[in-house]
Amino acid sequence: KAGVTQTPRYLIKTRGQQVTLSCSPISGHRSVSWYQQTPGQGLQFLFEYFSETQRNKGNFPGRFSGRQFSNSRSEMNVSTLELGDSALYLCASSLDPSSYEQYFGPGTRLTVT
Amino acid sequence: GQNIDQPTEMTATEGAIVQINCTYQTSGFNGLFWYQQHAGEAPTFLSYNVLDGLEEKGRFSSFLSRSKGYSYLLLKELQMKDSASYLCAVRDLNMFSGGYNKLIFGAGTRLAVHP
Repeated sequence: KAGVTQTPRYLIKTRGQQVTLSCSPISGHRSVSWYQQTPGQGLQFLFEYFSETQRNKGNFPGRFSGRQFSNSRSEMNVSTLELGDSALYLCASSLDPSSYEQYFGPGTRLTVT
Repeated sequence: GQNIDQPTEMTATEGAIVQINCTYQTSGFNGLFWYQQHAGEAPTFLSYNVLDGLEEKGRFSSFLSRSKGYSYLLLKELQMKDSASYLCAVRDLNMFSGGYNKLIFGAGTRLAVHP
């Protein structure tokens, strides 16, 4: 069974631009969560999607948004990029929100210059 | 509020035993996780505790005391490949958002195993 895939793996953007990251969960998994990982803040929860609906949201500004499609694939978007948005963005999938096993993808390394 | 504390760094010798502690404060506790993350890689699931006590899985064991807001990860017979960051995470049940969970991570403990 294929694991969680994220595209692109690496991305360089300039301040003020916007970016869209993609995550394909494990086949059969319907819940997708997004996390931001930085050396200073560690892993921080962004949001969780299930059945195309955002079920939970972390403490991030409105510039961070996401969506989920009917095939459970998810995208997250960051608008008006800031230098502080440079981070590893990780996506994790699970069968559903009650499932305790989450499987992480390899992440997208975003660098904002 | 929500807070998870774990030591920043630890060192240990190959073949030894190491215990990584984690203390937490959350409003709606619904389980505690340990993840391993090698540099440049994604976190991988190690263990899950929701009831008090010890869960053993091979060389790794995890303990939970809900009344004390405390957990530890025990690694036995350390190997060089165990050098990694170990992340403690608590599943926080948010009753104000339909009862869904979110994972709150500690900053991680960087473990260095030396010969």
